[in-house]
Amino acid sequence: NAGVTQTPKFQVLKTGQSMTLQCAQDMNHEYMSWYRQDPGMGLRLIHYSVGAGITDQGEVPNGYNVSRSTTEDFPLRLLSAAPSQTSVYFCASHTSTDYGYTFGSGTRLTVV
Amino acid sequence: AQKITQTQPGMFVQEKEAVTLDCTYDTSDPSYGLFWYKQPSSGEMIFLIYQGSYDQQNATEGRYSLNFQKARKSANLVISASQLGDSAMYFCAMSDRGSTLGRLYFGRGTQLTVWP
Repeated sequence: NAGVTQTPKFQVLKTGQSMTLQCAQDMNHEYMSWYRQDPGMGLRLIHYSVGAGITDQGEVPNGYNVSRSTTEDFPLRLLSAAPSQTSVYFCASHTSTDYGYTFGSGTRLTVV
Repeated sequence: AQKITQTQPGMFVQEKEAVTLDCTYDTSDPSYGLFWYKQPSSGEMIFLIYQGSYDQQNATEGRYSLNFQKARKSANLVISASQLGDSAMYFCAMSDRGSTLGRLYFGRGTQLTVWP
């Protein structure tokens, strides 16, 4: 099925561990972005990309790295996990018409 | 500064009644888009409706309509004939065009409960 695929769906990390959250889309969307959702805070933008090779920071980028080597993939890297990064992470993609934002199903991350 | 404000943490409505969820926004960009998303307890983000800043008419999608008042910078969601399945968290969001294309700003959400 076409859409945005996030893996894994659930993850538990120990403080200081590193990991990569995967995001892939098969709709040939130029734009991709990562959000985190914390209770009572809505979704906040971490990083986004306007095309392969181009990324920029969002509202809460600290502790996260991204790269965009292909149109399809936009992985989010946690270099040294902290308990403050416990959250639900959503990846989204859309086209330049700005109308069709598509969200992945989310990754629930717990850092202990 | 917060770009999207949803002032109703929770709302209750009886089945078959209409309900309005409030949303105000802040931007100096003349071109922007406004969105409403539904998040049920299962967690996925479901797109409901979109309004462009230059659209002359209010957007409608089935039982959902967006009451767009540009001068007041408000974009309220109206759900007509509420159903039990409408119980969920609802988020208002805005995308700026131009230099910030690709960024969505979300409000904190309104938890809607529909009772029989």
